[in-house]
Amino acid sequence: AQRVTQPEKLLSVFKGAPVELKCNYSYSGSPELFWYVQYSRQRLQLLLRHISRESIKGFTADLNKGETSFHLKKPFAQEEDSAMYYCALSGLVGNTGKLIFGQGTTLQVKP
Amino acid sequence: ETGVTQTPRHLVMGMTNKKSLKCEQHLGHNAMYWYKQSAKKPLELMFVYSLEERVENNSVPSRFSPECPNSSHLFLHLHTLQPEDSALYLCASSQDMYGTFYEQYFGPGTRLTVT
Repeated sequence: AQRVTQPEKLLSVFKGAPVELKCNYSYSGSPELFWYVQYSRQRLQLLLRHISRESIKGFTADLNKGETSFHLKKPFAQEEDSAMYYCALSGLVGNTGKLIFGQGTTLQVKP
Repeated sequence: ETGVTQTPRHLVMGMTNKKSLKCEQHLGHNAMYWYKQSAKKPLELMFVYSLEERVENNSVPSRFSPECPNSSHLFLHLHTLQPEDSALYLCASSQDMYGTFYEQYFGPGTRLTVT
């Protein structure tokens, strides 16, 4: 069964510290992985996707198929990074593309 | 307005009421979705529409009834809800739903409270 697991409900770090938000997935095929972010009082929005291999707002995420992980990393956290982060997997179930979300991790960056 | 809009933003209803949530997307997308976001569970996909046809219904109780009159509008009709249905209901759209690479654009959500 397809599943996305984010083991940490809350991650609290100080400004300038490195950040790693963990995400593990279960999927039998070749998944597409995404990170979505929800800032306070804003709508859920795409942060980055693994296929683009891009860095957005200093965040990067590498797909590790051996460990079935897609952890989100940033070397130096900023206060404005405080938000709810969701890892999501896009896969085919029959002919239907589905986006499956993890439980979400709240990132709290303290001054 | 651009993007995905949802009305109302907040709704309080009794268990015997009938109400509807509305979603509109201004992106020219072909697929639309309803999600439920509650405090204790991850985002739950409820319904998927592609070109106005329902293609996914994830075992949602019949007290939730979706309607997609055209590719820009999506409704969620509510009747005889339970207090545990209180949640944030999110609408999303994407260019297409077939294939695995697509980004979903989310609306701001409707905060529903069932009393």
